[in-house]
Amino acid sequence: RKEVEQDPGPFNVPEGATVAFNCTYSNSASQSFFWYRQDCRKEPKLLMSVYSSGNEDGRFTAQLNRASQYISLLIRDSKLSDSATYLCVVNMGRDNAGNMLTFGGGTRLMVKP
Amino acid sequence: DGGITQSPKYLFRKEGQNVTLSCEQNLNHDAMYWYRQDPGQGLRLIYYSQIVNDFQKGDIAEGYSVSREKKESFPLTVTSAQKNPTAFYLCASRGQGNYEQYFGPGTRLTVT
Repeated sequence: RKEVEQDPGPFNVPEGATVAFNCTYSNSASQSFFWYRQDCRKEPKLLMSVYSSGNEDGRFTAQLNRASQYISLLIRDSKLSDSATYLCVVNMGRDNAGNMLTFGGGTRLMVKP
Repeated sequence: DGGITQSPKYLFRKEGQNVTLSCEQNLNHDAMYWYRQDPGQGLRLIYYSQIVNDFQKGDIAEGYSVSREKKESFPLTVTSAQKNPTAFYLCASRGQGNYEQYFGPGTRLTVT
């Protein structure tokens, strides 16, 4: 089983749609969770951190379910510019300082006019 | 501007040659990381350094070497021992007390 697992997609949605991605992680001791966005042939960029209580940033909402070990990202009112690959990232705490990130393979989103 | 720079953006080498990828940051971050990304796959950790003059192997360190002589710089050498060196190489850094990592623009290495 992969440490961080995502549906690779692609998710093809029309502009204005609401789309949700889920991600599962294997290490129940994981403490920090993030969503990164990666455009084609570019570096990943931090989209948002995921807090236990859930958090929202404009059209984006992230939620964490520790009991089931999954993280979700909801995008409302999709824009063409949201087309990208979304990476689920988990701090597995494997180094001495507990600061190692493990990346999922990414979920590709394509928003169509 | 503060940030992480990687050079060159594209690099072509012949098989059997060593090549060094540059990573520089002016964010005053202590920790730096090197990842490799293959098409359609997630990032895999090659090496990381939490402080100057110290570095640790990641999950796929074989065929790679690094140095950390300055806080700002963390160069990666891809040696001829790396069996499949063609990939997208990403450098990242992290500030003390934070878990988020920030990435440079990457170097796309092609070995033929």
